[in-house]
Amino acid sequence: SQTIHQWPATLVQPVGSPLSLECTVEGTSNPNLYWYRQAAGRGLQLLFYSVGIGQISSEVPQNLSASRPQDRQFILSSKKLLLSDSGFYLCAWRQGDRGTLYFGPGTRLTVT
Amino acid sequence: SQKIEQNSEALNIQEGKTATLTCNYTNYSPAYLQWYRQDPGRGPVFLLLIRENEKEKRKERLKVTFDTTLKQSLFHITASQPADSATYLCALDPSGAGSYQLTFGKGTKLSVIP
Repeated sequence: SQTIHQWPATLVQPVGSPLSLECTVEGTSNPNLYWYRQAAGRGLQLLFYSVGIGQISSEVPQNLSASRPQDRQFILSSKKLLLSDSGFYLCAWRQGDRGTLYFGPGTRLTVT
Repeated sequence: SQKIEQNSEALNIQEGKTATLTCNYTNYSPAYLQWYRQDPGRGPVFLLLIRENEKEKRKERLKVTFDTTLKQSLFHITASQPADSATYLCALDPSGAGSYQLTFGKGTKLSVIP
């Protein structure tokens, strides 16, 4: 069966510090991978998606970036965090470009 | 611009009653419409998917309807239980090749009161 992992589960970082969140998927190959952010009181915002290794599409211009160095690994990064980067970050995967999305457990990021 | 609206931020109902949640959309031609459940501090979990050519889909106590003319989906939970309390999200898969984005509404927080 397929499993999706995210780490860390929680993170508290000062403004201006770097960020690296990691997501890995097991039990499937060539998944489409997604990063969403959920800020307090707001809906799920799609940040990035990837249809293959090295292929990243950005939905929202901001100080975040994403990379997919391996088929089942998706990384979200920032060189300098802003207060507005605080939120609940969710990685997700699915097969194909439509259908059920499977979410990871999420990372709660607080920028202080 | 494209927009997905869920009728209310919060809905309180009595245990045993039917909960009805609404999802309206504008400027979309969805291929699929999906419903997810999200518990506090957790990622959303898939519940049901309905295709543009389907009117209704059921799964146990859950029922989803999809009216592409009204641009609306209704999500029903019959015989609601306190364990059904959660935030429910609707999401749209647009039609068209290469459309990879699944866009979510803001959700409706359902509270089932014993």
